[in-house]
Amino acid sequence: KQEVTQIPAALSVPEGENLVLNCSFTDSAIYNLQWFRQDPGKGLTSLLLIQSSQREQTSGRLNASLDKSSGRSTLYIAASQPGDSATYLCAVRPRQGGKLIFGQGTELSVKP
Amino acid sequence: EAGVTQFPSHSVIEKGQTVTLRCDPISGHDNLYWYRRVMGKEIKFLLHFVKESKQDESGMPNNRFLAERTGGTYSTLKVQPAELEDSGVYFCASSRGQGANTGELFFGEGSRLTVL
Repeated sequence: KQEVTQIPAALSVPEGENLVLNCSFTDSAIYNLQWFRQDPGKGLTSLLLIQSSQREQTSGRLNASLDKSSGRSTLYIAASQPGDSATYLCAVRPRQGGKLIFGQGTELSVKP
Repeated sequence: EAGVTQFPSHSVIEKGQTVTLRCDPISGHDNLYWYRRVMGKEIKFLLHFVKESKQDESGMPNNRFLAERTGGTYSTLKVQPAELEDSGVYFCASSRGQGANTGELFFGEGSRLTVL
């Protein structure tokens, strides 16, 4: 059974810092991995999608890496800003089926 | 292009009542998913439609939950009768493609259900 874990559960950093959010999964037989952002009371916004054949994806200040063999993904945020404050969710899609399996998220707070 | 829209955004009902949640996926997306987040827990899969057919309903908690997608467009999720433990946020998502080509999921803002 696939399980997804995100560490840390919460993180508070000063503005301008570079930071890394971690996601680990127990079964390496995945089709892809997706990072989302959720603002309080809002839906999920897709940030990056990494296919199982890829090692990383980049979008602006965000870089996500995937190491399938070790069951890990990291989301790197460069030069953090207060507007980055949100909950970040990692989800994997197993090779069979279309559903996503989510971690519990990391709540990020960037202080001005 | 409109995103995934959900209605209502918030519903407060009493235990034993019925609630129906609606989701309109992004136009042209064959795949429609329902997920749920109860307090303190991770977001969990409920079911997956491909057009009007239920592809996977393994996450539906019990027979008090009924999902439909008539005509392969919008979907409804009915809870009847609602119990206290059904409280949470119900998310809908949609994506293009089928089978192994199912791509990126786009989520709605969720419907918050409070059962008193």
